[in-house]
Amino acid sequence: AQSVAQPEDQVNVAEGNPLTVKCTYSVSGNPYLFWYVQYPNRGLQFLLKYITGDNLVKGSYGFEAEFNKSQTSFHLKKPSALVSDSALYFCAVSYPSGGYNKLIFGAGTRLAVHP
Amino acid sequence: NAGVMQNPRHLVRRRGQEARLRCSPVKGHSHVYWYRQLPEEGLKFMVYLQKENIIDESGMPKERFSAEFPKEGPSILRIQQVVRGDSAAYFCASSLRDSDQPQHFGDGTRLSIL
Repeated sequence: AQSVAQPEDQVNVAEGNPLTVKCTYSVSGNPYLFWYVQYPNRGLQFLLKYITGDNLVKGSYGFEAEFNKSQTSFHLKKPSALVSDSALYFCAVSYPSGGYNKLIFGAGTRLAVHP
Repeated sequence: NAGVMQNPRHLVRRRGQEARLRCSPVKGHSHVYWYRQLPEEGLKFMVYLQKENIIDESGMPKERFSAEFPKEGPSILRIQQVVRGDSAAYFCASSLRDSDQPQHFGDGTRLSIL
């Protein structure tokens, strides 16, 4: 069965320190991979995606993610965290067919950046 | 450019009533998805529609739930005879036709069942 795991419910990091939010997946074939961020009472905002090509993808707000096929991981990273990065982060995968994406989401990781 | 617009933002219904959730996709987007988010959980796919067609409804409960995306007007997610377990945030997303395009999400409708 296709699934996405975000092993950490919460990640705490001090402002200015690097952050990593982990994601692993179990989808056969060549999935598309996405990261979204959710602020309170809002919808999801797209951060970045991996379709093919370079394993390191850069996205919005200074975030980047590294695709590792052998480890089936797609960890989200940022070199220097900001307090305003505090939010709920979702990893998602899809195995597109028929020209559309049915996203499978992880349970989410709450990022708390402390001043 | 307007993003995905969902209304109402909050909806309160009593058990047994009907709930109608509306979604206007980004202008030019022909793909609409509905997802449900239960408290402290990730989003779960419900249904994927194109104009006048339901393409994939594999995530929809078999009873009481229906969705449409008419030629004119917003997409509608309809829940008949609501029960307490239907309380959740319902999100609509839209995208361009190509499957590698990211989905743009609305701010959701938070449905509360009394």
